[in-house]
Amino acid sequence: TQLLEQSPQFLSIQEGENLTVYCNSSSVFSSLQWYRQEPGEGPVLLVTVVTGGEVKKLKRLTFQFGDARKDSSLHITAAQPGDTGLYLCAGGDQGAQKLVFGQGTRLTINP
Amino acid sequence: DVKVTQSSRYLVKRTGEKVFLECVQDMDHENMFWYRQDPGLGLRLIYFSYDVKMKEKGDIPEGYSVSREKKERFSLILESASTNQTSMYLCASSLITYRGLETQYFGPGTRLLVL
Repeated sequence: TQLLEQSPQFLSIQEGENLTVYCNSSSVFSSLQWYRQEPGEGPVLLVTVVTGGEVKKLKRLTFQFGDARKDSSLHITAAQPGDTGLYLCAGGDQGAQKLVFGQGTRLTINP
Repeated sequence: DVKVTQSSRYLVKRTGEKVFLECVQDMDHENMFWYRQDPGLGLRLIYFSYDVKMKEKGDIPEGYSVSREKKERFSLILESASTNQTSMYLCASSLITYRGLETQYFGPGTRLLVL
């Protein structure tokens, strides 16, 4: 069974600080997605990474896929209150239609 | 604009009742999924469907069944609701994917309380 472990589970920081969220597994994934979920809404895709070592940037968010495709990280620079939400990583496997989700990181950015 | 809608945002049912949760997508997606979301446990897959009348069990199918009679509609059924099924239920849809590359589009969720 493939599992994804996210850390930390909860993170509360001040506006302007930097942070990193980790998503780790002992299994290799073909791709890794990151979603953000705001209160009262379903998750929304932020990014998909597919190549080992790949780095993608989305404004102040930087996503990296580990070289061995077993882990990923999300780094936020100069966090803003609008970044508050639940961040979920999800691993995809070749030929499988379903994703494996991590348990999520609940991020709170305080003004 | 892509859309996944769920029939109810909030639902309160009694133990033993039969509960229907409906999900509709307007994107002509082949795949549809039902998850439950509980604090600290992330999204756990209950069932998914890759075509009309086709279904596969996810990680936690016990106590649930599903129905997909039309491509755009995927229903989750709790045959006899129990208090441990109190949760947030999320429906999602996606195109057929070959490396997990396709986006899953989620509905807003149904918060179910079983008393």
